[in-house]
Amino acid sequence: EVQLVESGGGLVEVGMSLRLSCAASGFSFGEYAMHWVRQAPGKGLEWVSGISWNGHSIGYADSVKGRFTISRDNAKKSLYLHMQSLTPEDTAMYYCAKDAGTAVAYNWFDPWGQGTLLTVSS
Amino acid sequence: DVRMTQSPSSLSAFVGDTVTITCRASQYIDYSYLNWYQQKPGKAPTLLIYAASTLQTGVPSRFSGSGSGAEFTLTISDLQPEDLAIYSCQQTYSTPISFGGGTRVGIK
Repeated sequence: EVQLVESGGGLVEVGMSLRLSCAASGFSFGEYAMHWVRQAPGKGLEWVSGISWNGHSIGYADSVKGRFTISRDNAKKSLYLHMQSLTPEDTAMYYCAKDAGTAVAYNWFDPWGQGTLLTVSS
Repeated sequence: DVRMTQSPSSLSAFVGDTVTITCRASQYIDYSYLNWYQQKPGKAPTLLIYAASTLQTGVPSRFSGSGSGAEFTLTISDLQPEDLAIYSCQQTYSTPISFGGGTRVGIK
């Protein structure tokens, strides 16, 4: 069974940094692109970032470009999101999602993890 | 950037009704890159339909998707109580990947 388990969320203050992790199991992690998607309370889904199977292609939403860094460790079957200069607007549930293919675009996300909640207080 | 607009933002219907949700892209996107997700209350999203009209394994046949170019629809026939959820479209035609704002489907 494919499983994605996010961790690292919590309550932080404005301007702080934090790293989210996503532990994958049940599939050949190194063969698929991966993504982070967030959902602010009561709001819709927002794609944050995606990384290709080998880490060579990366994309970011404009809202996080320059502040967030996505990375992966295929040997550890793990996906990461390093977040800097956090603002209250970054408060959201952060989901890790497996892509159906190897590239950042062109496919679909399945499955998704259960999410980890980040709250940025001012 | 491709902007995705869904309508309506919410709807309520009776069990057994047919409901239709529309998703419009701000530019042409190949149908292959339009997906639909279902998010039940308090849960993570799950893939419902990919490539505009292909049902994910295990999804009931009362769900269907169609469309091309820049306009796509999700139809739920014979609405069931367990279909209470938020439905979101997604384009993966280009980065940044984008989602529609979501449609909240309620049961009368």
